[in-house]
Amino acid sequence: DTAVSQTPKYLVTQMGNDKSIKCEQNLGHDTMYWYKQDSKKFLKIMFSYNNKELIINETVPNRFSPKSPDKAHLNLHINSLELGDSAVYFCASSPRTHLSGNTIYFGEGSWLTVV
Amino acid sequence: DAKTTQPPSMDCAEGRAANLPCNHSTISGNEYVYWYRQIHSQGPQYIIHGLKNNETNEMASLIITEDRKSSTLILPHATLRDTAVYYCIVRVAPNTDKLIFGTGTRLQVFP
Repeated sequence: DTAVSQTPKYLVTQMGNDKSIKCEQNLGHDTMYWYKQDSKKFLKIMFSYNNKELIINETVPNRFSPKSPDKAHLNLHINSLELGDSAVYFCASSPRTHLSGNTIYFGEGSWLTVV
Repeated sequence: DAKTTQPPSMDCAEGRAANLPCNHSTISGNEYVYWYRQIHSQGPQYIIHGLKNNETNEMASLIITEDRKSSTLILPHATLRDTAVYYCIVRVAPNTDKLIFGTGTRLQVFP
């Protein structure tokens, strides 16, 4: 069973559309994340949720809205897609916050291409 | 925030040990050093982490200098499947979960 799974794996869409990427983890972790990897391969955190509560929100346009219906799910909704949103989006989870040493487990990524 | 510096690329022959260095001269006393890797088209994968002492697990060994300003990840018997980008990361601050990934070291294992 995949520990952190995200869907879809590939998504091609037109500018201006609204799309969602779903993420689920079956590890029983309290914390989930969204990371973005751009064309230059830089991997940057976007959001972090702990038990459905937003704890990290980097400087991300408000077109990006994470939603956590429960602690096992963290979905990413993107409004009015732009060409610059093309990237690989990684969902991740970790067992707990505020304790040094916890590790983060990543999903396989969702390749978003905006045309 | 503690920064890390890694060589952009390294080669290693299959079966040999791969030693990947990382400098983190501004690391603070309670920050951990983490190593992750990203195989092409996959999500990052946790390898190992440490604070002061050397650490070993089934994947690798981590050697941290006594002054903690640098560390080395050792893959004792590199295989072709170890070809990946290896990231050395220092936690941004205690009690947060934010990992900042740099550019990493692209390790190419050749036959």
